[in-house]
Amino acid sequence: AQTVTQSQPEMSVQEAETVTLSCTYDTSESDYYLFWYKQPPSRQMILVIRQEAYKQQNATENRFSVNFQKAAKSFSLKISDSQLGDAAMYFCAYGQNFVFGPGTRLSVLP
Amino acid sequence: DSGVTQTPKHLITATGQRVTLRCSPRSGDLSVYWYQQSLDQGLQFLIHYYNGEERAKGNILERFSAQQFPDLHSELNLSSLELGDSALYFCASSRAGGFSTDTQYFGPGTRLTVL
Repeated sequence: AQTVTQSQPEMSVQEAETVTLSCTYDTSESDYYLFWYKQPPSRQMILVIRQEAYKQQNATENRFSVNFQKAAKSFSLKISDSQLGDAAMYFCAYGQNFVFGPGTRLSVLP
Repeated sequence: DSGVTQTPKHLITATGQRVTLRCSPRSGDLSVYWYQQSLDQGLQFLIHYYNGEERAKGNILERFSAQQFPDLHSELNLSSLELGDSALYFCASSRAGGFSTDTQYFGPGTRLTVL
């Protein structure tokens, strides 16, 4: 069965700084999608970014980018110029059967 | 606003009771997914429907059932409720039936409290 691991239960970053959240996964598939979702205190699940495994180019959405290392089965999320509104739980998800990692709680310090 | 609606927002009930959670997908989406999130936990996939048919099952208890209707809205039925069923229940929808490739858009969730 596929598994998704987020080894950092909690992280903090200074406002305007950059932070990287880690995610690793296990799969025997060759074609799949990976996702990062954000869950702010409102508990709404918000899609941050997605990566298609067959694409070598790392996905980017404004201040959010990923470092996708397929061979290493690693999918980290980089948040640049962190803002107070970025404070949330961040979940990494593997597309097949939509397996979610346990989440990383990100705090942004003013 | 993702375009996915869920009702009710909050539900408080007693052990042993039965409740129904409702979800309306985004316009044009054919797939509906249900997830359970217990307090400070990650999301557990429950079940996936595509165009009225069950496509995949996750960790869904036998006391729980779901269906997707011809107008594509879905209902999740929870029966013989236990204290441990208290959780946030999310519905998500996607355009097609590609479970591994579709982007899912989540509703705001229904918070169920079992007393």
